[in-house]
Amino acid sequence: RKEVEQDPGPFNVPEGATVAFNCTYSNSASQSFFWYRQDCRKEPKLLMSVYSSGNEDGRFTAQLNRASQYISLLIRDSKLSDSATYLCVVIVTDSWGKFQFGAGTQVVVTP
Amino acid sequence: DADVTQTPRNRITKTGKRIMLECSQTKGHDRMYWYRQDPGLGLRLIYYSFDVKDINKGEISDGYSVSRQAQAKFSLSLESAIPNQTALYFCATLGRLDNEQFFGPGTRLTVL
Repeated sequence: RKEVEQDPGPFNVPEGATVAFNCTYSNSASQSFFWYRQDCRKEPKLLMSVYSSGNEDGRFTAQLNRASQYISLLIRDSKLSDSATYLCVVIVTDSWGKFQFGAGTQVVVTP
Repeated sequence: DADVTQTPRNRITKTGKRIMLECSQTKGHDRMYWYRQDPGLGLRLIYYSFDVKDINKGEISDGYSVSRQAQAKFSLSLESAIPNQTALYFCATLGRLDNEQFFGPGTRLTVL
C-alpha cells in the first residue's frame, strides 16, 4: 500500500464550478501536510500548507482530518489556469525533512 | 535567474553508459534532494543530503550515487544506465526553517 494515495482523475470541471478531492495517508505519525501544484512537464510548486484547523487561500481551501487520515483540497470558481496536477505531500514525524508525495490528482478546467 | 538549476535538461543515452545529472542552487539552503518521477507513481526519493558531510539513501537508491561537492551543488550519477531508469529527475532544496521545497526544472532522461 502506498503511504500517500490520491485519485489520479482526471477531474473535468467546467469553468466557474467547484471541485474537491482528497488524499489519504497511511502513517498516523504524519505531522505536516501540503498541496503542491505541478503543471505538465514542469516542476512542482507549493500551493499551500494544510493546517489542523483548515485554511483558505483565495479560492483554495484545504482541510485535514486526522481521525480518518486524509486531507482535502477544494477549488471554488475554477479558472482555466487551475488546470494542473495537484500533489499531496506529507512529512512523517520521525522522518523530518523527508517528504512523501502522492502520485497526484489531475484537474482539467474546461471553457 | 532560477534559484535551482539542473543540467542537462534533456538527455538520451544508451544502456551501460555513465551519466551525471547536476544541480545547483542559489537559495543558500542546506538540504538538497534528488527525486525521480514516473507516470502514476509520483515523486520517489533517491538520495538526500542535509549538509555537505551528510548524505542519505532514499527509497530507491539502488543504481544511483550522489556527490555533494559544496552547499550549492548536488550531483546524481547513474554508473551504468539501464532502460528502467528512464524518467523525469528533479532536484530540490529545503531551508532549515522552511517546510517548502524548491524544485529545479527537471531533467528528462531516456535510456535506450
